[in-house]
Amino acid sequence: NAGVTQTPKFQVLKTGQSMTLQCAQDMNHNSMYWYRQDPGMGLRLIYYSASEGTTDKGEVPNGYNVSRLNKREFSLRLESAAPSQTSVYFCASNLQMSWGQGLPTGNTIYFGEGSWLTVV
Amino acid sequence: QKEVEQNSGPLSVPEGAIASLNCTYSDRGSQSFFWYRQYSGKSPELIMSIYSNGDKEDGRFTAQLNKASQYVSLLIRDSQPSDSATYLCAPWMDSSYKLIFGSGTRLLVRP
Repeated sequence: NAGVTQTPKFQVLKTGQSMTLQCAQDMNHNSMYWYRQDPGMGLRLIYYSASEGTTDKGEVPNGYNVSRLNKREFSLRLESAAPSQTSVYFCASNLQMSWGQGLPTGNTIYFGEGSWLTVV
Repeated sequence: QKEVEQNSGPLSVPEGAIASLNCTYSDRGSQSFFWYRQYSGKSPELIMSIYSNGDKEDGRFTAQLNKASQYVSLLIRDSQPSDSATYLCAPWMDSSYKLIFGSGTRLLVRP
């Protein structure tokens, strides 16, 4: 069981280049998330998708776009990379969208292994 | 006001001691709370979840929740050097279907 898989694991970009981070989960989860983590900081939510066909902005969406391609896949695109986007990116997923929809434990979020992105 | 606040630390405790990690949150509607542990260079891993006021124990870990005070804590008994990591507090925002993280508390357990 692979869980949440992210690619690539490492990437170096030049300022202004574009790239897409791919994420796929095999747990039949409804919701998927993209977070970034800067050195010594917690995770900040970039975008999330509560269910297939929907996406919403998180805390730090500027400079990013997302696509929920299907239930399994949620990609993050940097259209014109900037040095300020140098970070570790984590994709995550969970089963339940809402407390009222099922067992609380369904809200557990599972993380991918991270993608280290450097913009020079 | 930040949505989730944690002391960044580092919190240094001797091996065998109790480590106490604290977290406050702003969304009164939050119903579920999670503690994640993150080792350097690794992804966060879930160690505890709590949904009701009071204490919840799991092995050496105890989570405590007080919704009236908007406060959640994590106690680690008999701390081990392998517990040295950053601990992230994360309330589930039920109103918007997302998990928001605190900046984390770095714990150092001295042998």
